[in-house]
Amino acid sequence: AQSVAQPEDQVNVAEGNPLTVKCTYSVSGNPYLFWYVQYPNRGLQFLLKYITGDNLVKGSYGFEAEFNKSQTSFHLKKPSALVSDSALYFCAVRDIGSARQLTFGSGTQLTVLP
Amino acid sequence: DGGITQSPKYLFRKEGQNVTLSCEQNLNHDAMYWYRQDPGQGLRLIYYSQIVNDFQKGDIAEGYSVSREKKESFPLTVTSAQKNPTAFYLCASSADSGGGKGTGELFFGEGSRLTVL
Repeated sequence: AQSVAQPEDQVNVAEGNPLTVKCTYSVSGNPYLFWYVQYPNRGLQFLLKYITGDNLVKGSYGFEAEFNKSQTSFHLKKPSALVSDSALYFCAVRDIGSARQLTFGSGTQLTVLP
Repeated sequence: DGGITQSPKYLFRKEGQNVTLSCEQNLNHDAMYWYRQDPGQGLRLIYYSQIVNDFQKGDIAEGYSVSREKKESFPLTVTSAQKNPTAFYLCASSADSGGGKGTGELFFGEGSRLTVL
C-alpha cells in the first residue's frame, strides 16, 4: 500500500521569510514523489518530482524539495516566500514498480502575508 | 499547445438530472483519470482508463459513469444516483499506462465546478 500525509492544513509565513510545507510518505518499495500547486478554481500544476539521484530537487518558481529516505519525508521549501506563492499545495507518491496510480495528500493551504 | 481541455468550467444542475463533463487531451497519452475535489479532502479518484475501450473504477465510482471510445476523450457523467454531486471535478492524463514502468506523473485540466441546485 502507498500513502502520503500532509500534517498541516494551513501554513502562514511572512513575505520574504523561508517557507516549508511538510510531506511524509509510506510505500513498500522505493517512491516516486511529486509536488503540485493549485490556485483557486484552477487545475493542479506540476512543481517538481523526485525519481532518483540527488536528494535535493529543484523545481519551478524557486521551489525545491528534499528527499529524506530515513525519515520518509519530502518537504517542499523556498528560501524567500512571495505573496503570489499563496495557494494549495499537494504532495503525491507512487511506489516504484507498482501499477497503482498516484496517491495524493489532503493538501496544505499556504498563505504568504505581506 | 498540448494540453487537457475540460468543459464546461461551471455547470449548474437540478436534482435528478444527469450531466456530462467533457475532457479532451492532445498529449497522445494512453491513460486518463477523473478526480473529485471537496474542501479539505484532497483528490479522490472516480474512474481511470489506461487504454481505449477500457476503464476501471476508482475509490468513489458510485453514481458516476465514463466511456473511452477515443484515445483523446474521456467524458464523465454524473448521474442522478450520485447523492452529493456538488464538487470540483478534475481530469488528468498520463503517458504511463500502468504496469509500473513509468513515473505515473499526471497532467491536469483546469477543472469543472458542478453545483446542484
